[in-house]
Order: sequence, then structure tokens, then C-alpha cells
Amino acid sequence: DAKTTQPPSMDCAEGRAANLPCNHSTISGNEYVYWYRQIHSQGPQYIIHGLKNNETNEMASLIITEDRKSSTLILPHATLRDTAVYYCIVRVNYQLIWGAGTKLIIKP
Amino acid sequence: NAGVTQTPKFRVLKTGQSMTLLCAQDMNHEYMYWYRQDPGMGLRLIHYSVGEGTTAKGEVPDGYNVSRLKKQNFLLGLESAAPSQTSVYFCASSPWGPATEAFFGQGTRLTVV
Repeated sequence: DAKTTQPPSMDCAEGRAANLPCNHSTISGNEYVYWYRQIHSQGPQYIIHGLKNNETNEMASLIITEDRKSSTLILPHATLRDTAVYYCIVRVNYQLIWGAGTKLIIKP
Repeated sequence: NAGVTQTPKFRVLKTGQSMTLLCAQDMNHEYMYWYRQDPGMGLRLIHYSVGEGTTAKGEVPDGYNVSRLKKQNFLLGLESAAPSQTSVYFCASSPWGPATEAFFGQGTRLTVV
């Protein structure tokens, strides 16, 4: 069973920041949170991951709450090409446990 | 650098037929995975391998077998295909370690009629 809960869909205006929430209240202390996205049923694309500190890379920022029960993925300046399904995933040992994800639609 | 390559990209099988899906990675990764994705759902792990010559069951292993004879290749076999195995299959690989990025192939769309 998935260890994460995400809203099924979200909209965001082009050029604005997209904030995607994720709940992972049962996460264990050594389990990482990963974010991937999938565009048009292509192979999933890695975005970012973190354990307890906030993380930033060229694609996005990941904000993890202090109790680690939830996190937010931030796309700072969303473009139409960011329209995709975004998956928040908890890594358990070797396995990535996937939920249904959030379909993010970027509107012009 | 090809990354993760899956063969074939599309296939139609009749019920009861067998086939093998091939996954090849050129990144010298230790871990390899086979997932299936059904419409509107996330990926579900079928089998995985943590190194050459080793395999293990994931969430939904029934009806599938795998082999990892060479580090760069991970094969997924369907011995007797069933309509319930109609799905998109993704292969992935990642380096050793608890916090490493997985790279995915572009998928194989399999239809069993």
C-alpha cells in the first residue's frame, strides 16, 4: 500500500509557483521522500528527494515539515511543459512505493 | 549515453503465449526494477534485482519471472500471458545506496487478447 496521500488534481497559472502537497504521516525515520513526474505516460522522471532537510535543485524545491509527516514540492515558475502527473513516494529499502499522484495542469 | 532501453516498445499477445521483455542499462547500476502501470494508477513493483545473479519479488510478482545474468540486463518473462497482464511495463535502474535516483525506460505497452 502507498505510504503517501496526494490530491488527485491541481491547477496552476503559467509563470506562478506550483505548490504540490503530500502527506506521509507513517514515514519511518530512515525513509526518504522522493518526487517523480510522468508526462504523457512516458517513463517517470526524477525531480528531487530528501530525508529531513529542505532541498533545492535546478528543477524544484522540497520542503519537509519538522515532524516529517508531510512535504511540499515547489516548482518556482511553472511552464506549460510542467503539465504532468507528480508522484510523491516513500522509499522503503530498495523499493519506491507509488501512489496515484497529483495531475498538475498548468494553464496559460 | 542511452540510459535505460526497453525492448520491444509495443507488443500484442494472444492468451497463453509467452514472451520476454528486455531491459538494458549502460550506467553500471547495481539495482534494476520491473514495474507495471495500469490506467490511472501509479507504478507497482513486479520484481527487482540488487546485483548480477540476484532477483527478488516485489508487490505483484505472480505470473512473471525475471533473470539478471549480466549486470546491464534485466529480463522479464511472461510464461503464459493473461488479459490481466495487459499493462504498460517500465524498467528502471539505480546506483547502490539508500538515497539514489532511479532512471526509467520509456515503457513497453503490452496488450493480451
